[in-house]
Amino acid sequence: KAGVTQTPRYLIKTRGQQVTLSCSPISGHRSVSWYQQTPGQGLQFLFEYFSETQRNKGNFPGRFSGRQFSNSRSEMNVSTLELGDSALYLCASSLVAAANEKLFFGSGTQLSVL
Amino acid sequence: AQSVTQPDIHITVSEGASLELRCNYSYGATPYLFWYVQSPGQGLQLLLKYFSGDTLVQGIKGFEAEFKRSQSSFNLRKPSVHWSDAAEYFCAVGVNNNNDMRFGAGTRLTVKP
Repeated sequence: KAGVTQTPRYLIKTRGQQVTLSCSPISGHRSVSWYQQTPGQGLQFLFEYFSETQRNKGNFPGRFSGRQFSNSRSEMNVSTLELGDSALYLCASSLVAAANEKLFFGSGTQLSVL
Repeated sequence: AQSVTQPDIHITVSEGASLELRCNYSYGATPYLFWYVQSPGQGLQLLLKYFSGDTLVQGIKGFEAEFKRSQSSFNLRKPSVHWSDAAEYFCAVGVNNNNDMRFGAGTRLTVKP
């Protein structure tokens, strides 16, 4: 079974641009979560989708958005990029959305904003 | 508010030595607790998890963790560390009945030959 796939692996953008990151969950998994990882703030929850609906959102500005498609694939979008958005963005999938559910993580997309 | 504290930012142990990584949590109810490991440039992999029952849980790669409610701790242990264990380790607590998981800051493990 293929793992969680995130594309692209690396991305370089400039301030003010927008970016879209993609995540393909493990087959059969219906929940997809996104996390931002930075050296200063660590791992922070962005949002979670289940069956195409956003179930929960972390404390991030509205420039961060996402969506989930009917095949459970998910995208996240960051508009008007800022230098502080440079981070590793991790996607995780699980069968269902529950606090006791094991998350399977992708290798992440490393975003650099210049 | 729910939070997770990993007091040690960086730990160095010799190969073959025992290991204990500390984790303390703050949570009102019985928490769902996890330990994940992250190798450089990779995502996170689950080592083990605790929900209820036996407070000593076994995980993959020879790791175990003990839940101590009185100390609000969930420390990770391994009796004999291998060079391949060098990585960053994250303790996490599951909240809100979804995948909004709160992670500690992580402990970076270096293994000396």
